[in-house]
Order: sequence, then structure tokens, then C-alpha cells
Amino acid sequence: DVKVTQSSRYLVKRTGEKVFLECVQDMDHENMFWYRQDPGLGLRLIYFSYDVKMKEKGDIPEGYSVSREKKERFSLILESASTNQTSMYLCASSPTRRRLDYEQYFGPGTRLTVT
Amino acid sequence: DQQVKQNSPSLSVQEGRISILNCDYTNSMFDYFLWYKKYPAEGPTFLISISSIKDKNEDGRFTVFLNKSAKHLSLHIVPSQPGDSAVYFCAASDSGGGADGLTFGKGTHLIIQP
Repeated sequence: DVKVTQSSRYLVKRTGEKVFLECVQDMDHENMFWYRQDPGLGLRLIYFSYDVKMKEKGDIPEGYSVSREKKERFSLILESASTNQTSMYLCASSPTRRRLDYEQYFGPGTRLTVT
Repeated sequence: DQQVKQNSPSLSVQEGRISILNCDYTNSMFDYFLWYKKYPAEGPTFLISISSIKDKNEDGRFTVFLNKSAKHLSLHIVPSQPGDSAVYFCAASDSGGGADGLTFGKGTHLIIQP
């Protein structure tokens, strides 16, 4: 079974703090993704990576950065947290860049509250 | 501009009947479509997918239909069961390949009534 784990299920941070969200997958997947889910907005792609040290901006990268130093780990960084970054953050992975490997496997999510 | 649209935020269906969830898309480059199911406080789980070269894919109680000319797909669940109560997301990918992320709709909350 593919397993995607996220470091925290719930997190409360103060405005201006630097926040790290960690994601680890154990299936040697090449691709990793960070989404946020908000009521009425669905899932929106923040950043993705298809290789170590590679990163690509998704639809809403502003206010975020990412790091992928090892294949199995993909970190999302909020440099200076703001209240509009209060959300559910979901990490996902998928096997390769081949056309048919579109299925993504999701972690359980991190509910981040910024006060 | 929303490229994947799920126009029904919620849907209520009686247990044992058919549930039909709809999804429309605007990007003609999309060539692969997926449905995900999400329970509260959990990550989405993959349910079923369809390639644009097909018009139907079936897996047990779940069938996805694709109408390319109308840019419309639907998920049929029959018979509906209480455990099907969840939020369902439609997602699409273009020819960029699986590494480029999926475009999700806003989701439809399916409620199965006993």
C-alpha cells in the first residue's frame, strides 16, 4: 500500500511565524504535490516537484515555498504565516511522468490555523 | 477561470437508489479524468478514472461516463450505500502528463439518506 504521511494533523501558528509542513512518501514516487483545500474552493495546487531539487509553481504559489532535498520528502514552507493561509493542506504523490500515471495518492492532511 | 466545474455543492439520495454526480470542463486539452472521494479529516482517495479515448469505465458499483463533445462527465453509484456519504471531487489532467498536477472541481457533498 502506498503511504503518504504528513508531520502534523493539526497545527496552530501565530501571524508572522515561519511554518514548515513536512510530507513523506514511501513508494519511491517521482512526483510530489502540495494542495490546499478550502470550503467552496475545492483543492488548489500550490507547488509540485517531479524530481529531487526540482520545483514548479502551481496555481497559487504566492506566500509559499517548497523544498525537496530527498526523493521521499517534500516540504511546504510558509515564510511568514498570515491568517488567509488558514486552511487544510494536502500532500500527494504519483509514480512517474508517464502519461498513464495520473493517479495521485494523498496524505491525511494538516489543518493549519493561523491566529 | 474555473476549468473543472461541479455545479452541485450537495446532493441527497436515498439508500439503494442511484447517485449521479456531474462534472463539466472547459479545457479541451484535458485527456484524463479522475474521481476522488473525501471523508472529513482525511485525504482524498482515488475512486475511478477514464481516459479521453473511452466513453465509459466501470468498477463495481461505480461507473464514469465521458461525453467529450459536451465536455461533460458523470459518476454513477448504484446502489448507493450509507458509506458513500462523502465529498466527491472531479479532477482532470492534460497532455502534460501526470507530473503536472491535477485540476480539481470544488466538490459535491453526497448525502445518502437511510
